[in-house]
Amino acid sequence: GAGVSQSPSNKVTEKGKDVELRCDPISGHTALYWYRQSLGQGLEFLIYFQGNSAPDKSGLPSDRFSAERTGGSVSTLTIQRTQQEDSAVYLCASSSDSLEQYFGPGTRLTVT
Amino acid sequence: AQSVTQLGSHVSVSEGALVLLRCNYSSSVPPYLFWYVQYPNQGLQLLLKYTTGATLVKGINGFEAEFKKSETSFHLTKPSAHMSDAAEYFCAVSEVGANSKLTFGKGITLSVRP
Repeated sequence: GAGVSQSPSNKVTEKGKDVELRCDPISGHTALYWYRQSLGQGLEFLIYFQGNSAPDKSGLPSDRFSAERTGGSVSTLTIQRTQQEDSAVYLCASSSDSLEQYFGPGTRLTVT
Repeated sequence: AQSVTQLGSHVSVSEGALVLLRCNYSSSVPPYLFWYVQYPNQGLQLLLKYTTGATLVKGINGFEAEFKKSETSFHLTKPSAHMSDAAEYFCAVSEVGANSKLTFGKGITLSVRP
């Protein structure tokens, strides 16, 4: 079956611009996670959605970062006023049982 | 709070040799433990996981790992390395009863020499 998909695969943006990254989880998976992978910080948790519960935003690095999940399916991660330190690979994962997370291929964000 | 330590950033082995990638964790509650593999320009793929029960867990591609509570370790092994095993390996922990977010180690790059 179809796995987790993310778009775009690559995004180059100028400093100060806003970007939106999209994640399509595996159908039926109630849990959705965003992580960031960067050279300096490794893999970091950003935000977690579970069903209709309030999201766990404890990993978001600043108020420039936000995410939403519409209809319990697709999720969008938005970064406002991008900075060079936001350059990273943003990974989305979904899960049906909160044990095994299935990862998408990621979006590579470059801020120039 | 939970954390994962993967000592070293790079391991090189000869094809056919034993692979041993070390992972130590810290967790205030019983942990769930995972090993993920990442091939170049790809997402993360689950190799194996420990949740409860048998402490020796087997995963895909001939890998296995043993949960040792007394040593707070979850080392990954494979008896005989293959060229296709060259990749980056991440150990991760999540806490039972928590929101299941993963805390990752820094990762280890495995190279396999012909």
